[in-house]
Amino acid sequence: GESVGLHLPTLSVQEGDNSIINCAYSNSASDYFIWYKQESGKGPQFIIDIRSNMDKRQGQRVTVLLNKTVKHLSLQIAATQPGDSAVYFCAEGGAGNMLTFGGGTRLMVKP
Amino acid sequence: EPEVTQTPSHQVTQMGQEVILRCVPISNHLYFYWYRQILGQKVEFLVSFYNNEISEKSEIFDDQFSVERPDGSNFTLKIRSTKLEDSAMYFCASSTDGTAEAFFGQGTRLTVV
Repeated sequence: GESVGLHLPTLSVQEGDNSIINCAYSNSASDYFIWYKQESGKGPQFIIDIRSNMDKRQGQRVTVLLNKTVKHLSLQIAATQPGDSAVYFCAEGGAGNMLTFGGGTRLMVKP
Repeated sequence: EPEVTQTPSHQVTQMGQEVILRCVPISNHLYFYWYRQILGQKVEFLVSFYNNEISEKSEIFDDQFSVERPDGSNFTLKIRSTKLEDSAMYFCASSTDGTAEAFFGQGTRLTVV
């Protein structure tokens, strides 16, 4: 039979509000971190990345914050839109060219 | 916009059969990857490939799995004798270098019956 999937934490926000999605990573030696967005039935889509020597990086409507002291990563989405509804994964990368993905957070945007 | 393409989008196979999943990475990329995602679970790394050889592989990537770049454009994942637990979405990805963003394909849903 089917295996039971992970219960994804869900963040529900009103359209136009700001969203903050959090992620705890495991490897303090990771060189970079990436946020991916995954819509139903599609592959992960790159949103933004940040190197380990930075603590903040901004993109278009998105900001990633990195706190290496507590191994915490966050993604801030400004003026959240219905099209932002998806599952968001953080991923960490380093030596070996592989990404380790987190468990994901489901973002639901209410119109 | 360049993209990673995967075929087929859905593959159903009987347990014990061999399957080959195909990918065309972005043309100027040098690093290629396979990931899988079991329904409702996180994306898991399988293997990375650079300069015509495997550069990294996970515990999942056992002797039943192999990868190949048979020509200048395709990148394939072969599962020699499929098991029920191989049922998952398989994603191919590519990147310009090992630390750059990886672009993912739409995935192949493999169902083993």
